[in-house]
Amino acid sequence: GAGVSQTPSNKVTEKGKYVELRCDPISGHTALYWYRQSLGQGPEFLIYFQGTGAADDSGLPNDRFFAVRPEGSVSTLKIQRTERGDSAVYLCASSLRGGWETQYFGPGTRLLVL
Amino acid sequence: AQSVTQLDSQVPVFEEAPVELRCNYSSSVSVYLFWYVQYPNQGLQLLLKYLSGSTLVKGINGFEAEFNKSQTSFHLRKPSVHISDTAEYFCAVSEFSGCSNYKLTFGKGTLLTVNP
Repeated sequence: GAGVSQTPSNKVTEKGKYVELRCDPISGHTALYWYRQSLGQGPEFLIYFQGTGAADDSGLPNDRFFAVRPEGSVSTLKIQRTERGDSAVYLCASSLRGGWETQYFGPGTRLLVL
Repeated sequence: AQSVTQLDSQVPVFEEAPVELRCNYSSSVSVYLFWYVQYPNQGLQLLLKYLSGSTLVKGINGFEAEFNKSQTSFHLRKPSVHISDTAEYFCAVSEFSGCSNYKLTFGKGTLLTVNP
């Protein structure tokens, strides 16, 4: 079956611009996660959705970052007033119910802020 | 809070040689342990995980890992590697219980390069 998909695969933007990154989880997975992977680092947790609600957004670095999952399936990560330090690969993952269950990752969106 | 240390950022080996990728963790609570592999331009893929029970865990592609609680380690091993095992490997932990057992904390990764 289809895995987690993310669009776009690459995004180049200018400092100060607004960007949206999309994640399509595996069908039927209620849990969805966003992670950020900076160059030379492992992924870092950003936010966890259970259904439509953000159950844990403690990893979002500041209020320029926001994510939604209005229908409990597709999620969008939104970054306002982008900064060069936001350049990273943004990874999305989903799992069937959450908790310790296996998280299945998408290929990521590589964001470059010039 | 947990942390994960992968002691080697790069490990070059020859094909058919054995390999061990080291992972140590720090946590004030019991943890679940995971190894993920990331092939170029692909998403992270779960290799294996330790939740409970036997401390020797077998995963996909011939990999195995052993949980050592006293040494807080979870080293990944393969007796004979192939060129196709060239990838980046990430060790990760999450809390065993409580409300945050979904939150993975990753190490910085180890780039395994298998040479012919």
